[in-house]
Amino acid sequence: KAGVTQTPRYLIKTRGQQVTLSCSPISGHRSVSWYQQTPGQGLQFLFEYFSETQRNKGNFPGRFSGRQFSNSRSEMNVSTLELGDSALYLCASSLGPGQGTDTQYFGPGTRLTVL
Amino acid sequence: GNSVTQMEGPVTLSEEAFLTINCTYTATGYPSLFWYVQYPGEGLQLLLKATKADDKGSNKGFEATYRKETTSFHLEKGSVQVSDSAVYFCALRPHTGTASKLTFGTGTRLQVTL
Repeated sequence: KAGVTQTPRYLIKTRGQQVTLSCSPISGHRSVSWYQQTPGQGLQFLFEYFSETQRNKGNFPGRFSGRQFSNSRSEMNVSTLELGDSALYLCASSLGPGQGTDTQYFGPGTRLTVL
Repeated sequence: GNSVTQMEGPVTLSEEAFLTINCTYTATGYPSLFWYVQYPGEGLQLLLKATKADDKGSNKGFEATYRKETTSFHLEKGSVQVSDSAVYFCALRPHTGTASKLTFGTGTRLQVTL
């Protein structure tokens, strides 16, 4: 079974621009979560989607948004980029609620650099 | 709220040495506990997990036991290899109905030398 895939792997943007990151979950997984990883703040939860609905949201400003499609693929968008948005963005997929332990499996991440 | 505390790194060991990375947690109820590993330039890989008290997770020679009485989930390996050099993250996930969010520790960098 193919793992979680994320595109693109690397992005360079300038302040004020917006960016869209994509995540394709493991086949059969219906839940997708997004995390931001930075050296200063570590791993922080952004949001989680299940069946095209946002179930859970972390403490990030409204510039960070996401969505999930009917095939469980997910995108996250960051508008009006700031230097502090430079990070590794990780996507994780799982079967979904009520599915036992519902272990999350991570993709390789998208490295975003904001200049 | 939920939190995970890991020992500060880096941890530097010689090959074949014994490894322990301490992890303690704060959570209500009985969360699931995980260890993830991150190699340079990669995402997180699930190393092992435990879902209830006294469970032992194991994989690739690594082990961790869910200790409810000490709220701990320490990672151990009897003989480390250079290829084990990576950053290790302890994490918990509550068993509440709708929350799948993982709470991570700060990570512990392991360096194994010949």
